[in-house]
Amino acid sequence: DQQVKQNSPSLSVQEGRISILNCDYTNSMFDYFLWYKKYPAEGPTFLISISSIKDKNEDGRFTVFLNKSAKHLSLHIVPSQPGDSAVYFCAASANTDKLIFGTGTRLQVFP
Amino acid sequence: EAGVTQFPSHSVIEKGQTVTLRCDPISGHDNLYWYRRVMGKEIKFLLHFVKESKQDESGMPNNRFLAERTGGTYSTLKVQPAELEDSGVYFCASSQVQGSYEQYFGPGTRLTVT
Repeated sequence: DQQVKQNSPSLSVQEGRISILNCDYTNSMFDYFLWYKKYPAEGPTFLISISSIKDKNEDGRFTVFLNKSAKHLSLHIVPSQPGDSAVYFCAASANTDKLIFGTGTRLQVFP
Repeated sequence: EAGVTQFPSHSVIEKGQTVTLRCDPISGHDNLYWYRRVMGKEIKFLLHFVKESKQDESGMPNNRFLAERTGGTYSTLKVQPAELEDSGVYFCASSQVQGSYEQYFGPGTRLTVT
């Protein structure tokens, strides 16, 4: 039973536009959420996170939104750049170091 | 500062053989984690070391998998005997502080069992 779901396996966005990646979760005990970015042949790299007590966290071009009532979070990238092309993983934790990941969304940013 | 390193980068073995994966965490990181990603699926937690002690091994799939971290530095993950379903990418990650959700991942070891 998958607790973190990324239902869009891929997303294609034009450079300069907004990229929106979505993630749903089922476990109401999750108290921390993270987004990781992964390039081919590399390990995932931490991108941005949000605590369950917040509904928004912003870091430069990246903003994560959390909707606890809907058990949904999203990552917004504005403006999108070709270097953002990668696989993005949503992850969650329930007050432990154990991260529960989704299956990833492949983002392609084209010129 | 060197990142998390993993060896080998690729391994191809036959069913029934033994393979040992190695992970060197970032220097000074007491917390070390192993994860696995089977083709196209989610990255799954296997276990968590704090120094040389296993803090959480709830994700270890079965007793064919043995993880060690002698001396609290590098870690090994041994699969014996390997089965076809063990194929995937094995990631190691480390963090300095327990409870820090920001984990630093290595490049992974791609294991193929034929």
